[in-house]
Amino acid sequence: DVKVTQSSRYLVKRTGEKVFLECVQDMDHENMFWYRQDPGLGLRLIYFSYDVKMKEKGDIPEGYSVSREKKERFSLILESASTNQTSMYLCASSPIGYSYEQYFGPGTRLTVT
Amino acid sequence: KNEVEQSPQNLTAQEGEFITINCSYSVGISALHWLQQHPGGGIVSLFMLSSGKKKHGRLIATINIQEKHSSLHITASHPRDSAVYICAVTPTLIQGAQKLVFGQGTRLTINP
Repeated sequence: DVKVTQSSRYLVKRTGEKVFLECVQDMDHENMFWYRQDPGLGLRLIYFSYDVKMKEKGDIPEGYSVSREKKERFSLILESASTNQTSMYLCASSPIGYSYEQYFGPGTRLTVT
Repeated sequence: KNEVEQSPQNLTAQEGEFITINCSYSVGISALHWLQQHPGGGIVSLFMLSSGKKKHGRLIATINIQEKHSSLHITASHPRDSAVYICAVTPTLIQGAQKLVFGQGTRLTINP
């Protein structure tokens, strides 16, 4: 059974803290993605990676960075958390190519106070 | 204007009714996806299709490439079908990793 796991389901952080969100997949997928989901705005792509140490900006990369040191792990970093980064964060992975579905993790609901 | 538009945004129906959710897109695509998200839950892929029709249990997805339109149908709807249904497309012109462009989602509530 395919699996994408995220380090936390719920997280509460303070403004200015550095926040790490971890995502691990066990399917040997090349592609990994970080999204945020907000009411009325849907899912928006923050960053994605198509190989180890490779990353590309998505639609809303400001305030975020990512790290992919190993194929199975993709980390999202909030360098200095702000209240407007309160959101649901979803990680996904997929095999390389254009005809594959993405597999999503359970999500991390982050609250920045 | 969003590249992927869904309608309706919200839908409430009685158990047993036939449900249709529509998705229109404005870009060339290599695939269209229907996703399901239960409250508080992660997202599950229901269908991925590039032509024709697919069926899984009570769910049917169709796509018309020429009209850039897809529909998700649920027959004999049940309260457990209550969820947000998201349409997403894989545009053909984006290089690199397979990126999805998402619709806003349709919140479906089925009352017993």
